[in-house]
Amino acid sequence: EPEVTQTPSHQVTQMGQEVILRCVPISNHLYFYWYRQILGQKVEFLVSFYNNEISEKSEIFDDQFSVERPDGSNFTLKIRSTKLEDSAMYFCASGAERGRGETQYFGPGTRLLVL
Amino acid sequence: AQSVTQPDIHITVSEGASLELRCNYSYGATPYLFWYVQSPGQGLQLLLKYFSGDTLVQGIKGFEAEFKRSQSSFNLRKPSVHWSDAAEYFCAVGDRSSNTGKLIFGQGTTLQVKP
Repeated sequence: EPEVTQTPSHQVTQMGQEVILRCVPISNHLYFYWYRQILGQKVEFLVSFYNNEISEKSEIFDDQFSVERPDGSNFTLKIRSTKLEDSAMYFCASGAERGRGETQYFGPGTRLLVL
Repeated sequence: AQSVTQPDIHITVSEGASLELRCNYSYGATPYLFWYVQSPGQGLQLLLKYFSGDTLVQGIKGFEAEFKRSQSSFNLRKPSVHWSDAAEYFCAVGDRSSNTGKLIFGQGTTLQVKP
């Protein structure tokens, strides 16, 4: 069964450093998402992406964050200058259809720790 | 604003016992409703979803959920729990007015199964 993969599974970085989290969505999917979960808190929506552009983003997704699909298979989340509060589990998801009850398929997550 | 509440942060049941995980949502209209499960080291796996129609929804692994509009609830049930069901369970709401498929998650319920 096709699945979403994410790399790395864990990343430790120093505050102020840039990190790139990588995701490979399911191959025929067109809609891509990033969510995050700070330890002990809810899974929160960050951004959705379709047709090479952001379709919706949350208040969390400020100028420090960016997403791109550089090569038609990978979907990346970049944090330009990490802060301590960026420490969280980051989930990538993909879907074949847009919204309206479609199933989003989630990757296993990348645990980011900012020191 | 839409929100999802899972009142029980942690539940322990004996293997073979029945299970009910609670989920309440706040939303102006009928939302799309989802239950996801996360086992350690794994991504979020969809158990079932409610889109429309029959309010009792069957899912994978023997789970079911019932949508009750009058109570704004979408509780997850299983008649007989197996040790492998120990995991974290997330209820989520999809916004029917959103074209992006953004999901709003509850805080999650951790299920422990006693032998």
